Amino acid sequence: QLQLQESGPGLVKPSETLSLTCTVSGGSISSSSYYWDWIRQPPGKGLEWIGNIYYSGSTYYNPSLKSRVTISVDTSKNQFFLLLNSVTAADTAVYYCARRVYNSGCYDYWGQGTLVTVSS
Amino acid sequence: DIQMTQSPSSLSASVGDRVTITCRASQSISYYLNWYQQKPGKAPKLLIYGASSLQSGVPSRFSGSGSGTDFTLTISCLQPEDFATYYCQQSYNTPLSFGGGTKVEIK
Repeated sequence: QLQLQESGPGLVKPSETLSLTCTVSGGSISSSSYYWDWIRQPPGKGLEWIGNIYYSGSTYYNPSLKSRVTISVDTSKNQFFLLLNSVTAADTAVYYCARRVYNSGCYDYWGQGTLVTVSS
Repeated sequence: DIQMTQSPSSLSASVGDRVTITCRASQSISYYLNWYQQKPGKAPKLLIYGASSLQSGVPSRFSGSGSGTDFTLTISCLQPEDFATYYCQQSYNTPLSFGGGTKVEIK
């Protein structure tokens, strides 16, 4: 059974960089059949797509965040990563990593989510 | 960018009711539409992909239909465990986008 697990600091200061890791177990991140995505959800609000990475390293980012986001992958560790710089209180959210099926574009597996609060 | 609009934003229903949620895309997305259920404090769970395909393990009371710009999620006989928030998501192109959600509450 595939599992995804987010990890990283739960509190980040304004103007600093948010850094999260998603560890994938029970399956390989090096599959051509999937993208690996980051999605966030501010408290009490809806879902926002941040971006994704393919096992080859190619990335796509939401234009609304593109200037501040970097997603990378370490296939040897079966992990992918999110960096979001210059954070503000508006970046406070639950951050999810998820597997997106290449053909349909649906998210069939999600991490449990991790709350990141931006505050001094 | 493709905007996804769900309606209603919330509804009250009773166990056994038939419930329909609508999702409209700002441009044609063919059948690249997926539905998720989210319960408080949990990650979303995939219900329907490709507009009408039922994800493995999801009860058959859930069904999806539509293509182009207009889509529906139907719960044929609402069960107590179905009270949750439902989201649609387009996977036609990037940036991927979600609807604003529909909260299904107990009447």
